[in-house]
Amino acid sequence: GENVEQHPSTLSVQEGDSAVIKCTYSDSASNYFPWYKQELGKRPQLIIDIRSNVGEKKDQRIAVTLNKTAKHFSLHITETQPEDSAVYFCAASGAGGTSYGKLTFGQGTILTVHP
Amino acid sequence: EAQVTQNPRYLITVTGKKLTVTCSQNMNHEYMSWYRQDPGLGLRQIYYSMNVEVTDKGDVPEGYKVSRKEKRNFPLILESPSPNQTSLYFCASSRRTGTASYEQYFGPGTRLTVT
Repeated sequence: GENVEQHPSTLSVQEGDSAVIKCTYSDSASNYFPWYKQELGKRPQLIIDIRSNVGEKKDQRIAVTLNKTAKHFSLHITETQPEDSAVYFCAASGAGGTSYGKLTFGQGTILTVHP
Repeated sequence: EAQVTQNPRYLITVTGKKLTVTCSQNMNHEYMSWYRQDPGLGLRQIYYSMNVEVTDKGDVPEGYKVSRKEKRNFPLILESPSPNQTSLYFCASSRRTGTASYEQYFGPGTRLTVT
Protein backbone atom coordinates (compact mmCIF):
# COMPACT_ATOMS: atom_id res chain seq x y z
CA GLY A 1 0.00 0.00 0.00
CA GLU A 2 0.85 3.66 -0.04
CA ASN A 3 3.37 5.08 2.42
CA VAL A 4 3.76 8.82 2.99
CA GLU A 5 6.75 10.27 4.83
CA GLN A 6 6.62 13.88 6.03
CA HIS A 7 9.48 16.12 7.18
CA PRO A 8 10.27 17.90 9.35
CA SER A 9 8.18 16.82 12.32
CA THR A 10 8.55 20.27 13.89
CA LEU A 11 9.35 23.60 12.29
CA SER A 12 9.90 26.90 14.03
CA VAL A 13 10.12 30.18 12.08
CA GLN A 14 9.98 33.89 12.71
CA GLU A 15 6.98 35.85 11.54
CA GLY A 16 7.49 36.91 7.94
CA ASP A 17 9.81 34.04 7.09
CA SER A 18 8.94 31.23 4.70
CA ALA A 19 8.18 27.67 5.76
CA VAL A 20 8.59 24.54 3.68
CA ILE A 21 7.26 21.09 4.50
CA LYS A 22 8.17 18.10 2.37
CA CYS A 23 6.50 14.76 1.75
CA THR A 24 7.46 11.68 -0.19
CA TYR A 25 5.13 8.92 -1.30
CA SER A 26 5.72 5.36 -2.43
CA ASP A 27 2.87 4.44 -4.80
CA SER A 28 3.44 5.79 -8.30
CA ALA A 29 -0.30 5.33 -8.99
CA SER A 30 -1.19 8.06 -6.48
CA ASN A 31 -2.42 11.13 -8.25
CA TYR A 32 -4.06 13.40 -5.70
CA PHE A 33 -2.13 15.20 -2.98
CA PRO A 34 -3.98 17.36 -0.46
CA TRP A 35 -2.64 19.34 2.48
CA TYR A 36 -4.60 19.76 5.69
CA LYS A 37 -4.15 22.20 8.54
CA GLN A 38 -5.18 21.30 12.07
CA GLU A 39 -5.26 23.99 14.72
CA LEU A 40 -4.99 22.98 18.34
CA GLY A 41 -8.10 21.12 19.50
CA LYS A 42 -9.82 21.42 16.14
CA ARG A 43 -10.53 19.23 13.16
CA PRO A 44 -8.27 19.09 10.08
CA GLN A 45 -9.24 21.37 7.22
CA LEU A 46 -8.13 21.29 3.61
CA ILE A 47 -5.92 24.23 2.69
CA ILE A 48 -4.68 23.29 -0.76
CA ASP A 49 -4.44 20.27 -3.02
CA ILE A 50 -2.77 19.28 -6.27
CA ARG A 51 -3.39 16.63 -8.89
CA SER A 52 -0.65 14.73 -10.65
CA ASN A 53 -1.15 16.49 -13.96
CA VAL A 54 -0.14 19.79 -12.35
CA GLY A 55 3.37 20.69 -11.18
CA GLU A 56 2.55 23.67 -8.99
CA LYS A 57 -0.46 25.39 -7.50
CA LYS A 58 -0.71 28.64 -5.57
CA ASP A 59 -3.32 30.18 -3.35
CA GLN A 60 -2.25 33.52 -1.91
CA ARG A 61 0.60 32.79 0.54
CA ILE A 62 0.40 29.04 0.11
CA ALA A 63 1.82 26.97 -2.72
CA VAL A 64 2.28 23.29 -3.36
CA THR A 65 4.77 21.73 -5.77
CA LEU A 66 4.77 18.17 -7.07
CA ASN A 67 7.59 16.14 -8.60
CA LYS A 68 6.04 12.91 -9.87
CA THR A 69 9.33 11.49 -11.06
CA ALA A 70 10.87 11.79 -7.63
CA LYS A 71 7.56 11.08 -5.90
CA HIS A 72 7.68 14.04 -3.60
CA PHE A 73 5.59 17.12 -3.01
CA SER A 74 6.04 20.17 -0.83
CA LEU A 75 4.03 22.87 0.90
CA HIS A 76 5.40 26.40 0.84
CA ILE A 77 4.06 29.13 3.09
CA THR A 78 5.40 32.62 2.51
CA GLU A 79 5.22 35.62 4.81
CA THR A 80 4.25 33.45 7.73
CA GLN A 81 1.97 34.83 10.43
CA PRO A 82 1.32 33.64 13.98
CA GLU A 83 -2.07 32.31 12.90
CA ASP A 84 -0.26 29.89 10.58
CA SER A 85 0.88 28.01 13.69
CA ALA A 86 -0.76 24.58 13.52
CA VAL A 87 -0.12 20.98 12.57
CA TYR A 88 0.09 20.40 8.83
CA PHE A 89 -0.58 17.05 7.20
CA CYS A 90 0.17 15.96 3.69
CA ALA A 91 -1.69 13.05 2.11
CA ALA A 92 -1.77 10.95 -1.04
CA SER A 93 -4.56 9.14 -2.79
CA GLY A 94 -5.05 6.94 -5.82
CA ALA A 95 -7.42 7.62 -8.68
CA GLY A 96 -9.67 4.86 -9.76
CA GLY A 97 -11.53 1.84 -8.53
CA THR A 98 -11.32 1.15 -4.84
CA SER A 99 -8.33 3.51 -4.50
CA TYR A 100 -10.67 6.43 -4.79
CA GLY A 101 -11.42 7.47 -1.25
CA LYS A 102 -8.40 5.77 0.27
CA LEU A 103 -6.23 8.52 1.67
CA THR A 104 -2.86 8.01 3.33
CA PHE A 105 -1.58 10.82 5.53
CA GLY A 106 1.91 11.80 6.56
CA GLN A 107 2.87 11.98 10.23
CA GLY A 108 2.32 15.73 10.49
CA THR A 109 4.49 18.82 10.98
CA ILE A 110 4.03 21.12 13.96
CA LEU A 111 4.64 24.63 12.64
CA THR A 112 5.27 27.40 15.14
CA VAL A 113 5.48 31.00 13.95
CA HIS A 114 7.07 33.33 16.49
CA PRO A 115 5.94 36.97 16.49
CA GLU B 1 -25.56 24.30 7.90
CA ALA B 2 -23.37 21.77 6.07
CA GLN B 3 -21.65 19.60 8.61
CA VAL B 4 -20.34 16.26 9.79
CA THR B 5 -21.42 15.27 13.28
CA GLN B 6 -20.04 12.62 15.58
CA ASN B 7 -21.34 11.21 18.82
CA PRO B 8 -20.26 10.88 21.47
CA ARG B 9 -17.51 13.50 21.59
CA TYR B 10 -15.86 11.91 24.62
CA LEU B 11 -16.08 8.33 25.83
CA ILE B 12 -14.36 6.42 28.58
CA THR B 13 -15.05 2.70 28.57
CA VAL B 14 -13.63 -0.59 29.73
CA THR B 15 -11.93 -3.35 27.82
CA GLY B 16 -14.33 -5.63 26.00
CA LYS B 17 -17.46 -3.50 26.22
CA LYS B 18 -18.89 -3.04 22.75
CA LEU B 19 -19.35 0.53 21.61
CA THR B 20 -20.51 2.47 18.58
CA VAL B 21 -19.45 5.93 17.49
CA THR B 22 -21.98 7.49 15.16
CA CYS B 23 -21.18 9.74 12.22
CA SER B 24 -23.65 11.64 10.11
CA GLN B 25 -23.30 14.13 7.25
CA ASN B 26 -25.92 16.33 5.65
CA MET B 27 -24.06 17.20 2.45
CA ASN B 28 -25.18 14.19 0.38
CA HIS B 29 -21.55 13.12 0.03
CA GLU B 30 -20.80 9.75 -1.51
CA TYR B 31 -17.56 9.10 0.32
CA MET B 32 -17.12 8.70 4.05
CA SER B 33 -14.12 7.65 6.10
CA TRP B 34 -12.97 6.95 9.62
CA TYR B 35 -9.53 7.94 10.91
CA ARG B 36 -7.69 7.64 14.16
CA GLN B 37 -5.15 10.22 15.22
CA ASP B 38 -2.28 9.35 17.51
CA PRO B 39 0.71 11.53 18.46
CA GLY B 40 3.58 11.10 16.02
CA LEU B 41 1.56 8.86 13.73
CA GLY B 42 -0.65 11.40 12.03
CA LEU B 43 -4.06 10.42 10.75
CA ARG B 44 -4.50 6.80 9.83
CA GLN B 45 -7.48 5.63 7.84
CA ILE B 46 -9.47 2.82 9.43
CA TYR B 47 -12.23 2.24 6.88
CA TYR B 48 -13.74 4.14 4.04
CA SER B 49 -16.94 3.91 2.05
CA MET B 50 -17.50 4.94 -1.53
CA ASN B 51 -21.26 4.64 -1.35
CA VAL B 52 -24.12 2.85 0.37
CA GLU B 53 -23.22 -0.77 1.06
CA VAL B 54 -19.69 -0.24 -0.35
CA THR B 55 -16.91 -0.21 2.22
CA ASP B 56 -13.22 -1.05 2.18
CA LYS B 57 -10.37 -1.34 4.63
CA GLY B 58 -8.00 1.50 5.22
CA ASP B 59 -4.56 1.14 6.76
CA VAL B 60 -5.56 0.08 10.30
CA PRO B 61 -8.88 -1.82 10.17
CA GLU B 62 -8.14 -4.48 12.79
CA GLY B 63 -10.56 -4.36 15.72
CA TYR B 64 -13.07 -2.12 13.94
CA LYS B 65 -16.24 -2.62 11.93
CA VAL B 66 -18.29 -0.22 9.87
CA SER B 67 -21.55 -0.23 7.98
CA ARG B 68 -23.09 2.08 5.39
CA LYS B 69 -26.79 1.35 5.20
CA GLU B 70 -27.71 4.96 4.47
CA LYS B 71 -25.81 7.58 2.57
CA ARG B 72 -25.70 10.02 5.45
CA ASN B 73 -24.58 7.65 8.24
CA PHE B 74 -21.35 5.75 8.74
CA PRO B 75 -21.05 4.30 12.26
CA LEU B 76 -17.80 2.91 13.65
CA ILE B 77 -18.18 -0.18 15.80
CA LEU B 78 -15.67 -1.55 18.28
CA GLU B 79 -16.90 -5.04 19.15
CA SER B 80 -14.36 -5.64 21.90
CA PRO B 81 -12.36 -2.47 22.62
CA SER B 82 -8.83 -2.76 23.92
CA PRO B 83 -6.53 -0.14 25.49
CA ASN B 84 -4.54 0.21 22.23
CA GLN B 85 -7.68 1.64 20.65
CA THR B 86 -7.48 4.65 22.94
CA SER B 87 -7.24 7.48 20.44
CA LEU B 88 -8.86 10.51 18.85
CA TYR B 89 -11.25 9.42 16.10
CA PHE B 90 -12.38 11.51 13.16
CA CYS B 91 -15.13 10.81 10.71
CA ALA B 92 -14.96 12.56 7.34
CA SER B 93 -17.11 12.87 4.29
CA SER B 94 -15.95 13.80 0.83
CA ARG B 95 -17.18 15.34 -2.34
CA ARG B 96 -15.43 15.26 -5.68
CA THR B 97 -13.93 18.54 -6.75
CA GLY B 98 -12.37 17.27 -9.95
CA THR B 99 -11.54 14.15 -11.96
CA ALA B 100 -9.19 12.82 -9.34
CA SER B 101 -9.58 15.07 -6.36
CA TYR B 102 -11.92 15.47 -3.46
CA GLU B 103 -12.15 17.58 -0.34
CA GLN B 104 -12.71 15.84 2.96
CA TYR B 105 -14.86 17.48 5.61
CA PHE B 106 -13.98 16.25 9.05
CA GLY B 107 -16.26 15.84 12.03
CA PRO B 108 -15.31 17.35 15.40
CA GLY B 109 -13.63 14.20 16.67
CA THR B 110 -14.36 11.61 19.36
CA ARG B 111 -11.84 11.12 22.11
CA LEU B 112 -12.01 7.50 23.23
CA THR B 113 -10.29 6.08 26.29
CA VAL B 114 -10.33 2.33 26.90
CA THR B 115 -9.20 1.24 30.36
